Amino acid sequence: EDQVTQSPEALRLQEGESSSLNCSYTVSGLRGLFWYRQDPGKGPEFLFTLYSAGEEKEKERLKATLTKKESFLHITAPKPEDSATYLCAVQAAPSGYALNFGKGTSLLVTP
Amino acid sequence: DAGVIQSPRHEVTEMGQEVTLRCKPISGHDYLFWYRQTMMRGLELLIYFNNNVPIDDSGMPEDRFSAKMPNASFSTLKIQPSEPRDSAVYFCASSPSQSIDRENGYTFGSGTRLTVV
Repeated sequence: EDQVTQSPEALRLQEGESSSLNCSYTVSGLRGLFWYRQDPGKGPEFLFTLYSAGEEKEKERLKATLTKKESFLHITAPKPEDSATYLCAVQAAPSGYALNFGKGTSLLVTP
Repeated sequence: DAGVIQSPRHEVTEMGQEVTLRCKPISGHDYLFWYRQTMMRGLELLIYFNNNVPIDDSGMPEDRFSAKMPNASFSTLKIQPSEPRDSAVYFCASSPSQSIDRENGYTFGSGTRLTVV
């Protein structure tokens, strides 16, 4: 069975303090690894898709990387508006096109 | 595009009542997904459709849950009878065909917060 584990569950950073969020996965036939951002009371918002080990993608202060066992979401010099829950999800061949989500990392960036 | 539209945004109902949640996907999207989110279990897939046909309903908790997609622009998730443990946020998401667009992810609606008392 596909497993997606995110760590830490919660993270508190000072503004400007860079850090990384982890997503470990165990799947058969990875089709893609997705990162989403979710703000309170809203649906998840798409950030990135990674397809193969070694791939990296960037968007403003965020950079996502992928290995054969895990993905990292690096946050460089975060701002308070980066506070949100970050969700990782995998799409694997046995599951068709559905996404299997981790439980997320709740990030709080304080001024 | 208005995005994925879900209604109602909030629903409070008494145990035993029937509840119907509604979703309008983005025009042109071939896939539609229903997810449920709770603090304990996170986001769980309930069912998904491709071209209005149910593909995988293995996540539907039990016979009290049913989902339909009568056309490309509308889907419903029905719970009958509802129970307090069904309280959660229910999300609908849609996606274009994978062969056409793999770079934009799945677009989620704003969700329906269901409370069963």
